[in-house]
Amino acid sequence: QKEVEQNSGPLSVPEGAIASLNCTYSDRGSQSFFWYRQYSGKSPELIMFIYSNGDKEDGRFTAQLNKASQYVSLLIRDSQPSDSATYLCAGSNYNNNDMRFGAGTRLTVKP
Amino acid sequence: ETGVTQSPTHLIKTRGQQVTLRCSSQSGHNTVSWYQQALGQGPQFIFQYYREEENGRGNFPPRFSGLQFPNYSSELNVNALELDDSALYLCASSFGQGVIYEQYFGPGTRLTVT
Repeated sequence: QKEVEQNSGPLSVPEGAIASLNCTYSDRGSQSFFWYRQYSGKSPELIMFIYSNGDKEDGRFTAQLNKASQYVSLLIRDSQPSDSATYLCAGSNYNNNDMRFGAGTRLTVKP
Repeated sequence: ETGVTQSPTHLIKTRGQQVTLRCSSQSGHNTVSWYQQALGQGPQFIFQYYREEENGRGNFPPRFSGLQFPNYSSELNVNALELDDSALYLCASSFGQGVIYEQYFGPGTRLTVT
């Protein structure tokens, strides 16, 4: 079993819709969780991180963490074609020196 | 652009050879982490350096080794290359030890082993 699991997709949503990306993790020692966006041929870029149960909002993005269910999600509101990319979920231990990534979910936003 | 640079951009090596990849961290950052990303997979943590000392290591064999220099730039060395080492190698820089919430990735080095 992989430590961080994501649905590989592809996930396709129409422009303006809400895209919902999900991630589960197996290591209960994981403390902090991250969502990265990776365009094809580029390196990952941080969207946001979350370490407390509940929701965290940043612009069009909302991250949700449920430690009891070992579940992390990312909602993208008003999806734009420029949001089309692979979204990587990652979890880390307290010292952040062992970050584990999922395989990523490929999102396509259709105009 | 993150301010993190890596060299070379692309590299082709033969099985059994050795390779050195380089990373310059963003100004003000003293921690560098290295990752291996195979095609279609997420990055896998190789190791992290904080102020010139190894500060954590993933499940990679000893033939993967690293260095961090006083200016916080870093090298990743891989000996006895295998075909499965073909991947994108990413470095990421951040500031501080302990909980690090923001790390910035370089553009990566694409290594092909034939």
